[in-house]
Amino acid sequence: NAGVTQTPKFQVLKTGQSMTLQCAQDMNHEYMSWYRQDPGMGLRLIHYSVGAGITDQGEVPNGYNVSRSTTEDFPLRLLSAAPSQTSVYFCASSYSKGAGYTFGSGTRLTVV
Amino acid sequence: GDSVTQMEGPVTLSEEAFLTINCTYTATGYPSLFWYVQYPGEGLQLLLKATKADDKGSNKGFEATYRKETTSFHLEKGSVQVSDSAVYFCAPNYGGSQGNLIFGKGTKLSVKP
Repeated sequence: NAGVTQTPKFQVLKTGQSMTLQCAQDMNHEYMSWYRQDPGMGLRLIHYSVGAGITDQGEVPNGYNVSRSTTEDFPLRLLSAAPSQTSVYFCASSYSKGAGYTFGSGTRLTVV
Repeated sequence: GDSVTQMEGPVTLSEEAFLTINCTYTATGYPSLFWYVQYPGEGLQLLLKATKADDKGSNKGFEATYRKETTSFHLEKGSVQVSDSAVYFCAPNYGGSQGNLIFGKGTKLSVKP
């Protein structure tokens, strides 16, 4: 039982480059979310999805895109990386509203 | 909007000391309440939860009671160990259309032998 799998674990990008952070879960969870974690800021919600084909913006969506073509996958795209996007990114999933979330192990991204 | 406030860290304790980390949430609605723990270099793990007033969540010696009258969910442990050193996050889930967690800023706990 893999849970929530994120790839890559580490990534260095140059300013202006684009990339996709992958997230996959094998628990048939409908709810999936992307968070970023910055020192002293806790976790902030970037985008979320309540099911395949349905996505919406969270607290800090600028500079990021998401799509949800399947229940299992929820990739996060950085359109044009900026140093302000240097952070640790976590993907999480849940089986229902009001329930706890299962987190992936994170992607540490550095933009230079 | 909905929010959560947890005690600022870092917190440094000696082994076997008593731990309390305070957490209060806004009273909008009737959230489920969670504590997550993040060990160094790892992702977040669910530590415990409570879904209704007066419920007590417990796990690994940690406890927290859902106090609706004070909108609080304080985390406690009677005797901490070095292995409890981690960052602890309080996170209500208000449900609603998106059902997302709202995180506190985290409290870093260091336990010294």
